[in-house]
Amino acid sequence: QVQLVESGGGLVKPGGSLRLSCAASGFTFSDYYMTWIRQAPGKGLEWVSYISSSSGSTIWYADSVKDRFTISRDNAKNSLYLQMNSLTAEDTAVYFCARGGNSQYLAYFDYWGQGTLVTVSS
Amino acid sequence: EIVMTQSPATLSVSPGERATLSCRASQSVSSNLAWFQQKPGQAPRLLIYGASTRATGVPARFSGSGSGTEFTLTISSLQSEDFAVYYCQQYSNWPPLTFGGGTQVEIK
Repeated sequence: QVQLVESGGGLVKPGGSLRLSCAASGFTFSDYYMTWIRQAPGKGLEWVSYISSSSGSTIWYADSVKDRFTISRDNAKNSLYLQMNSLTAEDTAVYFCARGGNSQYLAYFDYWGQGTLVTVSS
Repeated sequence: EIVMTQSPATLSVSPGERATLSCRASQSVSSNLAWFQQKPGQAPRLLIYGASTRATGVPARFSGSGSGTEFTLTISSLQSEDFAVYYCQQYSNWPPLTFGGGTQVEIK
């Protein structure tokens, strides 16, 4: 069965960095686009970043994280990553990884991890 | 950016009754719309994609309709496990991929 397990969240000071990981299993990871979506406490869902399948050569970011966050994937390790730099309190959220489609046009998400909490506070 | 607006923010429904949730896009998204269900402390669950196609394992009491800018999620007979927050998401014109603000379905 498809499983996505995030890790790497925690408490970080403003201006700090954190790297999130998402371990995938139960499907051919390299065939699928993957995404990060976050949810601030008590708020709705906010898309963060999306990476294409295979080599991950195409990447998209929300304006709110562009130039601060970097998404990447390692197909040999069936893993998705999110490097987060210059963190601010507004980045405090649960971060979910989710599976997209096998095409750019199928940008909806059929499997989600349980999420990892990132708290940015001094 | 396409803005997704959901209404109402909160819907109070008795078990066994029908629930109708709305999602409006600020410009046409064709049928490139998905619906998710989220329960407290859990990840969202895909219910509907392509505006009207149920995802694997989703009960038939969930149905989606609409195209262009107006969409509806209908739960034909609410079960206790259906009380949750529901989000719509467009994937027509992106980035950014955008979600609605959510509709909380609560027990009346």
